[in-house]
Amino acid sequence: AQSVTQLDSQVPVFEEAPVELRCNYSSSVSVYLFWYVQYPNQGLQLLLKYLSGSTLVESINGFEAEFNKSQTSFHLRKPSVHISDTAEYFCAVRTNSGGSNYKLTFGKGTLLTVNP
Amino acid sequence: GAGVSQSPRYKVAKRGQDVALRCDPISGHVSLFWYQQALGQGPEFLTYFQNEAQLDKSGLPSDRFFAERPEGSVSTLKIQRTQQEDSAVYLCASSRLVAGTDTQYFGPGTRLTVL
Repeated sequence: AQSVTQLDSQVPVFEEAPVELRCNYSSSVSVYLFWYVQYPNQGLQLLLKYLSGSTLVESINGFEAEFNKSQTSFHLRKPSVHISDTAEYFCAVRTNSGGSNYKLTFGKGTLLTVNP
Repeated sequence: GAGVSQSPRYKVAKRGQDVALRCDPISGHVSLFWYQQALGQGPEFLTYFQNEAQLDKSGLPSDRFFAERPEGSVSTLKIQRTQQEDSAVYLCASSRLVAGTDTQYFGPGTRLTVL
């Protein structure tokens, strides 16, 4: 079984400040890693994913995450946040082999609040 | 449609009532998933369909929960004799292919409140 730990339930920051949302996972097999974002009253949207290859992945709106296998982490970062980045962010994993590799396991989420 | 849609968006039920939640996946998507998101928690897997076949229902919390996808498109999640602990947001997701690296696209969810 897999598990995901998001260490911070809430992260308040000021506009244009850098931010890091932490995610650690536990799994006995290799996994794919995802970050989803949920804006108020909207569904989950995929922000970025790590499947293989380069351990640094980027989204179109300036977020990036780095897969660190030794530390079993997939922290999300942005060098300068905007008010519009205010949302809840979920880290998720899925195994890349086996019979249940369609099943996403989510963390509890981190509420990012960007203040002016 | 452009994305996954769910209806109703909000549902209030009295304890003991039956409810039915609908999901319209993206057209042509083979796989469909239901997740339950309790307050302050991340989504948790309930069940998975490949076309009309329910291949995994291991996450359904009790036999009061039942899901179907009879024609391989629209899906309905039914909860019988609702209890207060059933209060949650129910999310539907679909993906184009069966598994592996395929992205799951989520709907806006149905917020169920059981009084």
